[in-house]
Amino acid sequence: DVVMTQTPVSMSVSLGGQVSISCRSSQSLVHNNGNTYLSWYIQKPSQSPQLLIYKVSNRFSGISDRFSGSGSGTDFTLKISRVEPDDLGVYYCGQGTQYPLTFGSGTKLEIK
Amino acid sequence: EVQLVESGGGLVQPGRSLKLSCVASGFTFSNYGMNWIRQAPGKGLEWVAYISSGSSYIYYAETVKGRFTISRDNAKNTLYLQMTSLRSEDTALYYCARPLYSSHGGFAYWGQGTLVTVSS
Repeated sequence: DVVMTQTPVSMSVSLGGQVSISCRSSQSLVHNNGNTYLSWYIQKPSQSPQLLIYKVSNRFSGISDRFSGSGSGTDFTLKISRVEPDDLGVYYCGQGTQYPLTFGSGTKLEIK
Repeated sequence: EVQLVESGGGLVQPGRSLKLSCVASGFTFSNYGMNWIRQAPGKGLEWVAYISSGSSYIYYAETVKGRFTISRDNAKNTLYLQMTSLRSEDTALYYCARPLYSSHGGFAYWGQGTLVTVSS
């Protein structure tokens, strides 16, 4: 199985600041078809998870350009700029390249 | 608007069975593979099972293989998860989720979840 390792486990940021979350996979996430199925999600308190980024760097519909994804192979990063109060929650990376599908253990973002 | 509405959760004794449903609307259900994903209380996300649009391809997490069965009825726009031999570690909020594309692209749409509690 592909193990997804997310760091840090938690972080605190001031409003207007910037954060980076790292996600590393135990195997390359490049699919046979050439695509890399790495996604990022946010789960706000008491809500279902929401898709932020798909295929490494593509923002889902309605997602602010303050969110950006990058990386390749086994090493990926989510950056959030100009942090707003509504950004608090737990962020997960997830891979869709190989079954069983797997998620990182989450990064809790708190606002100072 | 895409909507996914899960139901069927509840309190069940260890070893018993339960069947979850997820009714989809706002898109052509038969064009998309579907997933079940669960979240134990206070824990992270765990993918459970996937079924392709025509039910030809089915995959399970090792933790549920042999005990859970995913299925779908495209005429009823409904996804199912039959759970048998339930264990305390199956206690979780169960979400159905649709990918952005027919089978890939991340989990773009999620239901609100249905809570399964396995306890004597």
